[in-house]
Amino acid sequence: ETGVTQTPRHLVMGMTNKKSLKCEQHLGHNAMYWYKQSAKKPLELMFVYNFKEQTENNSVPSRFSPECPNSSHLFLHLHTLQPEDSALYLCASSQGGGGAAETQYFGPGTRLLVL
Amino acid sequence: AQSVSQHNHHVILSEAASLELGCNYSYGGTVNLFWYVQYPGQHLQLLLKYFSGDPLVKGIKGFEAEFIKSKFSFNLRKPSVQWSDTAEYFCAVKNTDKLIFGTGTRLQVFP
Repeated sequence: ETGVTQTPRHLVMGMTNKKSLKCEQHLGHNAMYWYKQSAKKPLELMFVYNFKEQTENNSVPSRFSPECPNSSHLFLHLHTLQPEDSALYLCASSQGGGGAAETQYFGPGTRLLVL
Repeated sequence: AQSVSQHNHHVILSEAASLELGCNYSYGGTVNLFWYVQYPGQHLQLLLKYFSGDPLVKGIKGFEAEFIKSKFSFNLRKPSVQWSDTAEYFCAVKNTDKLIFGTGTRLQVFP
């Protein structure tokens, strides 16, 4: 347990569905992240939130929409996804403030399958 | 752009063998370096990290890594692996708030 939880752990959805992934951290951190982990590829940073403000959008398609209502919760809203979006989606958190010395703590991930 | 290379994609060892996993990065400035491990079915967790000071860093479970600035490398080592070390290992580099990962090395240890 790292103090970062993600729900659901597994999700199967059709290309026309709308679903949301949820991440919650219990570490008192102020920065939260979404990553995509695909087979044989490096983890790809998708979004960064610092103190509830989005500070990074790594050229992610608009069918992925993040939301950070407070510093403990992070959502990823999914809409009209493609089969190539199937992957493990990881949430992480860190102290916040952008310091290079910060360590990121990861959640267990949501395994997403798009049919 | 920064990048991280892990040249060993899949390593198979017997218990008690020594381990060295390669990691090279491309960035000329000050960097912070990390090794994360992902055990089967579990989340990514920090193994060790380097920020400054002694370039030989010791982490959990007997792992260590050496930062060699002239070679842009941060190789992970363990003198004697155990079956429980079977996992995927990720090297990462960070200079601001972006953590750049390598593709990972899958380690299988057989008893």
